Amino acid sequence: GAVVSQHPSWVICKSGTSVKIECRSLDFQATTMFWYRQFPKQSLMLMATSNEGSKATYEQGVEKDKFLINHASLTLSTLTVTSAHPEDSSFYICSAPTSGSLWEQYFGPGTRLTVT
Amino acid sequence: LAKTTQPISMDSYEGQEVNITCSHNNIATNDYITWYQQFPSQGPRFIIQGYKTKVTNEVASLFIPADRKSSTLSLPRVSLSDTAVYYCLVGEYYSSASKIIFGSGTRLSIRP
Repeated sequence: GAVVSQHPSWVICKSGTSVKIECRSLDFQATTMFWYRQFPKQSLMLMATSNEGSKATYEQGVEKDKFLINHASLTLSTLTVTSAHPEDSSFYICSAPTSGSLWEQYFGPGTRLTVT
Repeated sequence: LAKTTQPISMDSYEGQEVNITCSHNNIATNDYITWYQQFPSQGPRFIIQGYKTKVTNEVASLFIPADRKSSTLSLPRVSLSDTAVYYCLVGEYYSSASKIIFGSGTRLSIRP
């Protein structure tokens, strides 16, 4: 099946710094990717839709200036958490649909962000 | 987007068949039903998708009654490795306006 990778798998950063998370589709092209955030024991929360070659679409309540998304190629989307704070500590997961079905998505392994 | 309701948690034993039911009373004509599995600290994994009646693959079966207001994910002969959270989602098969919104899911625990 299709593979989506994320890098890094975990990261620790100091409060006030920025951190970039990469999401790659390894064996297929993805014009659309999705970014989710998941807190412990909770469900996934959709943050934004990343569109190749155009601006991302953010969900209500998600600060677009804080969570910068860039989808520069058909296989790479990046999420940059700017001026991170401890409350941004979470599990960030990306996903991409294969052609034909928005609902049969392939998810990355996730990135654990801890802000100290 | 049709709202889904699932049991918060379920327990079972190895070798048993587990059925997880999802209620989606407001499902629309164009909506499909999709189930995902998530292990701790991993991204979700697509399990199965269906529109009506019964769908079966190597992992699970999905039963959908004629009115489509509910669906049941059936896991045959579960093992400890099936301990995970299972999400039921409902939405259009493909639409640029659709978003995949996860509900609370069902936390399945399998015991020896």
